[in-house]
Amino acid sequence: EPEVTQTPSHQVTQMGQEVILRCVPISNHLYFYWYRQILGQKVEFLVSFYNNEISEKSEIFDDQFSVERPDGSNFTLKIRSTKLEDSAMYFCASKRGGASGSTGTNEQFFGPGTRLTVL
Amino acid sequence: DQQVKQNSPSLSVQEGRISILNCDYTNSMFDYFLWYKKYPAEGPTFLISISSIKDKNEDGRFTVFLNKSAKHLSLHIVPSQPGDSAVYFCAASAGGTSYGKLTFGQGTILTVHP
Repeated sequence: EPEVTQTPSHQVTQMGQEVILRCVPISNHLYFYWYRQILGQKVEFLVSFYNNEISEKSEIFDDQFSVERPDGSNFTLKIRSTKLEDSAMYFCASKRGGASGSTGTNEQFFGPGTRLTVL
Repeated sequence: DQQVKQNSPSLSVQEGRISILNCDYTNSMFDYFLWYKKYPAEGPTFLISISSIKDKNEDGRFTVFLNKSAKHLSLHIVPSQPGDSAVYFCAASAGGTSYGKLTFGQGTILTVHP
């Protein structure tokens, strides 16, 4: 069964350093997402990406964050200058496409996550 | 942001019995609801979903009920099995022009005892 994969599984970095988290979504999916979960808190939406551009982003997703789909398979999240509070599990998700909500479906399939630790 | 709430942090059930997990929401624009299951150190795994045009959806041992007037949904697992022990998240999305952003509840830890 196709699945979303993420690398690395764990990333340790120093405050102020840049990190790139990588994801390979399910191949025929068209919508891509990043979420994060700070320890003990809810899973929070960061950004959605469709048709090679950001379609929606949360207030968490400030200028320090960027996303890219550099080729037909990878989807990356870059944090330019990491802060201590960026420490969290980061989950990539993808969805097939088509209408969402009451007229369609919105099943998103999640990767296993990357644990980011900022020291 | 408390648009989706799971008020029970944990639930303990005997194997073979019914598990009922509850979720409340406040945003009237939500029209699609999902339940995810999560094990430690893994990503959320999709379980079952329901559109706001329905009040029930069933898939094997899992049934989701939606009460729109009460802005409440529940997940029933019958019969419960020890392998069901995990964190269960309720999530909601608003359709229309939304690209599918999910808003999650805090999660309920389900423990099924043999």
